[in-house]
Amino acid sequence: GEDVEQSLFLSVREGDSSVINCTYTDSSSTYLYWYKQEPGAGLQLLTYIFSNMDMKQDQRLTVLLNKKDKHLSLRIADTQTGDSAIYFCAENQGDDKIIFGKGTRLHILP
Amino acid sequence: DAGVTQSPTHLIKTRGQQVTLRCSPKSGHDTVSWYQQALGQGPQFIFQYYEEEERQRGNFPDRFSGHQFPNYSSELNVNALLLGDSALYLCASSFWTTNANEQFFGPGTRLTVL
Repeated sequence: GEDVEQSLFLSVREGDSSVINCTYTDSSSTYLYWYKQEPGAGLQLLTYIFSNMDMKQDQRLTVLLNKKDKHLSLRIADTQTGDSAIYFCAENQGDDKIIFGKGTRLHILP
Repeated sequence: DAGVTQSPTHLIKTRGQQVTLRCSPKSGHDTVSWYQQALGQGPQFIFQYYEEEERQRGNFPDRFSGHQFPNYSSELNVNALLLGDSALYLCASSFWTTNANEQFFGPGTRLTVL
């Protein structure tokens, strides 16, 4: 099937790390992405990882890829109130056909 | 440098009508993709245009059609609107030769079908 799976909600205390998990479907996907969507706004590409990499770090963001299990995760260190948003996992199944998950809503607790 | 722009921002139509949505890509981009995002869902790929031709298509009926112009801007047309077509329609642009296909999204057009 074409479903990219993510948990729908995550609550994290401010200052803690957030970990958002995703399972994708196509083992031949070339690139995997994390997008952020704030209320009333379009999608913002946060980071992406090529399928031959295991990890990518970009400031507070760390992406881990387990290709064997088709599992992707996004870790946000020192979570801030501005990180409150919906985070979408997406895979490039080839020929630039991008399949998105339903999104994980990240809620920051004070 | 303007990013991806879409018009209109909001639109209300009735069942059976036709609608045209417009998108201007980010400067320097030559590829436009369209997505439908229903409430509480992730974006669903409709189709992609490059060199004025449809290159990829998702699982959407023929009621959904598009066009790309020589200046790379694009239109999405939906005929015979159904209530279920109510959604946020997102346009994304990219540069064809970029291997990672980094797509930049516009703010979307919210379509309501009554």
